[in-house]
Amino acid sequence: DVQLTQSPSFLSASVGDRVTITCRASQGISSYLAWYQQKPGKAPKLLIYVASTLQSGVPSRFSGSGSGTKFTLTISSLQPEDFATYYCQQLNSYPPTFGQGTKVEIQ
Amino acid sequence: QVQLVESGGGVVQPGRSLRLSCAASGFTFNNYGMHWVRQAPGKGLEWVTAIWYDGSKKYYADSVKGRFTISRDNSKNTLYLQMNSLRAEDTAVYYCARDRHGSGSFDYWGQGTLVTVSS
Repeated sequence: DVQLTQSPSFLSASVGDRVTITCRASQGISSYLAWYQQKPGKAPKLLIYVASTLQSGVPSRFSGSGSGTKFTLTISSLQPEDFATYYCQQLNSYPPTFGQGTKVEIQ
Repeated sequence: QVQLVESGGGVVQPGRSLRLSCAASGFTFNNYGMHWVRQAPGKGLEWVTAIWYDGSKKYYADSVKGRFTISRDNSKNTLYLQMNSLRAEDTAVYYCARDRHGSGSFDYWGQGTLVTVSS
């Protein structure tokens, strides 16, 4: 199975900050990587798919990049509604796997 | 608009069975693969199982293989998860999610249903 490792696991930031989360895969997964946002008590929400394509309706301050084994999610200017937990996920091959999550909290 | 609504969760004793349902609306259900993903309390996301749009292929996580069965009824726009021989470690919120064609991602999720396995 492909292991996904996110860093950092916890991030403290302020409104307006630029935030970057990294996801590393244990083997190459081409561009089959997605990013999700999850708020407490809610279902995950798809932000980005195939590494860099923004899901419809997601604000343009979110962006993704990478291929192969290293991927990043960037929030260009953190907004109050962005404080949440973020997960990466791959489905280059079954089984799909998720990273352990990155919790973004208010500094 | 796309809606996925799970039901069937509850408290069940270890070793017993439970069936979850996911009612889909707002899209052509029989055109999409579907997944179940779970989240134990305070933990991360774990993929459980998937089924192709026509039911012809199914995939399972090793942790549930032989105990859980995914199925679908395209005439009723409904996805199912039959869970047998339940264990305490199966306690989680179970989400159904739609497969986003060709991208390997899940573009719509239900609100989740909580399954608690406890004596």
